[in-house]
Amino acid sequence: SQTIHQWPATLVQPVGSPLSLECTVEGTSNPNLYWYRQAAGRGLQLLFYSVGIGQISSEVPQNLSASRPQDRQFILSSKKLLLSDSGFYLCAWSPDLAGHGEEQFFGPGTRLTVL
Amino acid sequence: GENVEQHPSTLSVQEGDSAVIKCTYSDSASNYFPWYKQELGKGPQLIIDIRSNVGEKKDQRIAVTLNKTAKHFSLHITETQPEDSAVYFCAAPSDYKLSFGAGTTVTVRA
Repeated sequence: SQTIHQWPATLVQPVGSPLSLECTVEGTSNPNLYWYRQAAGRGLQLLFYSVGIGQISSEVPQNLSASRPQDRQFILSSKKLLLSDSGFYLCAWSPDLAGHGEEQFFGPGTRLTVL
Repeated sequence: GENVEQHPSTLSVQEGDSAVIKCTYSDSASNYFPWYKQELGKGPQLIIDIRSNVGEKKDQRIAVTLNKTAKHFSLHITETQPEDSAVYFCAAPSDYKLSFGAGTTVTVRA
C-alpha cells in the first residue's frame, strides 16, 4: 500500500531564516505531487505541483520554491521566511492516470510558525 | 479552470440527525468529485468520491449524489455521531489538479 510522509511535524522559525520541508511517498511510482498551505481556519491553497522529476508548476507568486530531486520526494523551501508564511503545510500525491489530478491523498502536514 | 463553491460554511446538527453539504462546479467536463474530511491538526482524508457515470454512491452512513445537468453534488451524513465533527471539503478536477471548495465546519451536538 501507499504511504506519504512529511517532516518535520511542527516547526518554529524566526523571520528571515531558511526553510526546508520534506515529503516522501512510498509504494507507488511516478506520482503527481502537490504542496498546499492552509491558514488557520481556512481552505486549501495550492502552492506547487509536479507531474515528474524536475517538473514544477507554481500556482501563486511567493517567496517559496519547490523541488523534486527524486521520483517520490518533494521539497518545499524558502531562503528567508516571512511572518505570513506561517500555516499548515500539506503534501499530497495522486496516481499518474492519464495526467489527471484525481484521487489526491494527503500527508499528515507540517505546522509552521514564523516568529 | 474549475470553480467550486461549497455551502454552508458552518453546520451544527444534533447527534442522530442528518447533515447535508452542497457544492457546485463550473466545468461541465469534470467527471470526478471527491469529498474530504479534515480533523483538527490532521491532513484531509478522502472519505468518498463519485464519478460522472453514476448519480449516487453510498458507504455506510455517508452518501454522495451528483446532478450533472445542474452541475452540483452533495454529501449526506445520516445518523450523525460526535466523531463526524470535522471540516469537510468537496473538490472537482482541473487539469492535473483538484479545485477545492472553501470547506464546511460540521459540529455534532451531543
